[in-house]
Amino acid sequence: DAGITQSPRYKITETGRQVTLMCHQTWSHSYMFWYRQDLGHGLRLIYYSAAADITDKGEVPDGYVVSRSKTENFPLTLESATRSQTSVYFCASSALGGQGASILFYNEQFFGPGTRLTVL
Amino acid sequence: GIQVEQSPPDLILQEGANSTLRCNFSDSVNNLQWFHQNPWGQLINLFYIPSGTKQNGRLSATTVATERYSLLYISSSQTTDSGVYFCAVPMNRDDKIIFGKGTRLHILP
Repeated sequence: DAGITQSPRYKITETGRQVTLMCHQTWSHSYMFWYRQDLGHGLRLIYYSAAADITDKGEVPDGYVVSRSKTENFPLTLESATRSQTSVYFCASSALGGQGASILFYNEQFFGPGTRLTVL
Repeated sequence: GIQVEQSPPDLILQEGANSTLRCNFSDSVNNLQWFHQNPWGQLINLFYIPSGTKQNGRLSATTVATERYSLLYISSSQTTDSGVYFCAVPMNRDDKIIFGKGTRLHILP
């Protein structure tokens, strides 16, 4: 199916376990992003990627690892899950918008359906 | 870093009413988006509007970049408009985007 998908949609795990959340997009968008959404904090950027093999930290990267070996996939791994990582995780993608005045900007973001992760 | 503030934080309206949601940002931006998160958690793009005015049905948005704000107008509200509305802007000279805390809109039948 075309678009952006996430898997699993729901996950329950235990403290200390490794968990990988998958994100796949079919638009060949350059940019991909991972956010977490928590009550009282809104959406916060965890990591993003401007292209395959290029990733960078967002606002709250600690405890997370990402990779991007292929343009269409952007997995997010919690190496040793903690209760504080209980959250709803959203993946997003956007096309490269262009470049102006030395500032790269991008087109609108499109979001996946989210993964609800509970760490016990 | 850039600050994004949305107002009001909560809004309860009767079906059929009009509403204006505001997004203020503390620095110049070249990109701004409005999203609607429905009660099922899905994030839906509404507008990509770095400047100017756009309209889509009962919704319209205006961004005045020089004055660092954007407005989202919802006319003739319907119960399906309920949810949280977010604006998002990129951090200056950076690829990162930050979101406002949202306006929670509840439309009563």
